[in-house]
Amino acid sequence: KAGVTQTPRYLIKTRGQQVTLSCSPISGHRSVSWYQQTPGQGLQFLFEYFSETQRNKGNFPGRFSGRQFSNSRSEMNVSTLELGDSALYLCASSPRGLNTEAFFGQGTRLTVV
Amino acid sequence: AQSVSQHNHHVILSEAASLELGCNYSYGGTVNLFWYVQYPGQHLQLLLKYFSGDPLVKGIKGFEAEFIKSKFSFNLRKPSVQWSDTAEYFCAVNTNTGTASKLTFGTGTRLQVTL
Repeated sequence: KAGVTQTPRYLIKTRGQQVTLSCSPISGHRSVSWYQQTPGQGLQFLFEYFSETQRNKGNFPGRFSGRQFSNSRSEMNVSTLELGDSALYLCASSPRGLNTEAFFGQGTRLTVV
Repeated sequence: AQSVSQHNHHVILSEAASLELGCNYSYGGTVNLFWYVQYPGQHLQLLLKYFSGDPLVKGIKGFEAEFIKSKFSFNLRKPSVQWSDTAEYFCAVNTNTGTASKLTFGTGTRLQVTL
């Protein structure tokens, strides 16, 4: 069974630009969550999607958004990039979301210059 | 809101030493508890999980953890560490409420095992 796939693996963007990251969950998984990992703040929850609906959202500004498609693939978008957005962005999928474990992808390393 | 504390930020052990990493959470309701490991250059992997039942759970690679509800703790243990256990370890909590799934992670413990 293929794992969680995130693309691209690495990105370099300039301040003010926007970026879209992609996540393909494990086949059959309907819940996709996104996390930001930085050395200073650790792993922080961004949002979770289940069956194309956002079910939960973390404490991030509106510049961070996401969506989920009917095939459960998900994208997250960050607009008006800031230097502080440099981080490893992790995607996790789980079968239903509740009382199940999350399987993580390798992440997308975003560097904002 | 729930929070997770990992008090050991960096632990250095010799091979064959015993390991115990602390994890405390703050949430008064029902929780699901996890330990994840991140080996250098690799993705987060699940070590073990607790949903209900026996509070002593066994995971992969000889790791175990004990859920002590009265202490809001879920400490990770391994009797004898190996050099290959060098990694970062994260404790995480998911509150068993509603239909949302949101993991709250601790800040992580970097384990360095020396030969």
